[in-house]
Amino acid sequence: DSGVTQTPKHLITATGQRVTLRCSPRSGDLSVYWYQQSLDQGLQFLIQYYNGEERAKGNILERFSAQQFPDLHSELNLSSLELGDSALYFCASSVGGLAGGTGELFFGEGSRLTVL
Amino acid sequence: AQKVTQAQTEISVVEKEDVTLDCVYETRDTTYYLFWYKQPPSGELVFLIRRNSFDEQNEISGRYSWNFQKSTSSFNFTITASQVVDSAVYFCALSAEFTGGGNKLTFGTGTQLKVEL
Repeated sequence: DSGVTQTPKHLITATGQRVTLRCSPRSGDLSVYWYQQSLDQGLQFLIQYYNGEERAKGNILERFSAQQFPDLHSELNLSSLELGDSALYFCASSVGGLAGGTGELFFGEGSRLTVL
Repeated sequence: AQKVTQAQTEISVVEKEDVTLDCVYETRDTTYYLFWYKQPPSGELVFLIRRNSFDEQNEISGRYSWNFQKSTSSFNFTITASQVVDSAVYFCALSAEFTGGGNKLTFGTGTQLKVEL
């Protein structure tokens, strides 16, 4: 158990819909990262938050947004869903997130999204 | 730009064989971090190791060992006396401290390891 909690574990929805994925980081970790794993793109970095602030952005679509709340949990919002958004979405957390090096990133079990 | 190459898409071995998973990376940064993760069939990503660019010492943890060579930009992973439970996809990843801010990981495409009886 990595200590990172993601809900829901599985989600099936239709094209055009909107979903929210939730992540609770490990106790004491200030950084939250979102990654997408799909068959054609592999593991892709989407976005990172550190202590409530956006820290880095990767290949995140404009239809997607995220935020980190004061209690440090994070949500990834996916809207106007398309078939190609079907993927496993991972959240990871680490203690650091600014200068000082990349600490160990611990991943949650992922949220598997299926868009029909 | 950062890049991680895992040229071996799939490896099949018989239990108790040793197996080495290759990882080659590219980065212009002098400070960077290398990782290995395991993804078993259940889907979660399990952290195995992190190594910084200034520490080239090889590391051994039980049946696992890692060989980091800056001269060849490689960070290879060896499993000794493989077991069926080692069957999984293994990912190598790279993070460079000052590239574009943040601490994002760039992953390789993964190597599927199948260990058979």
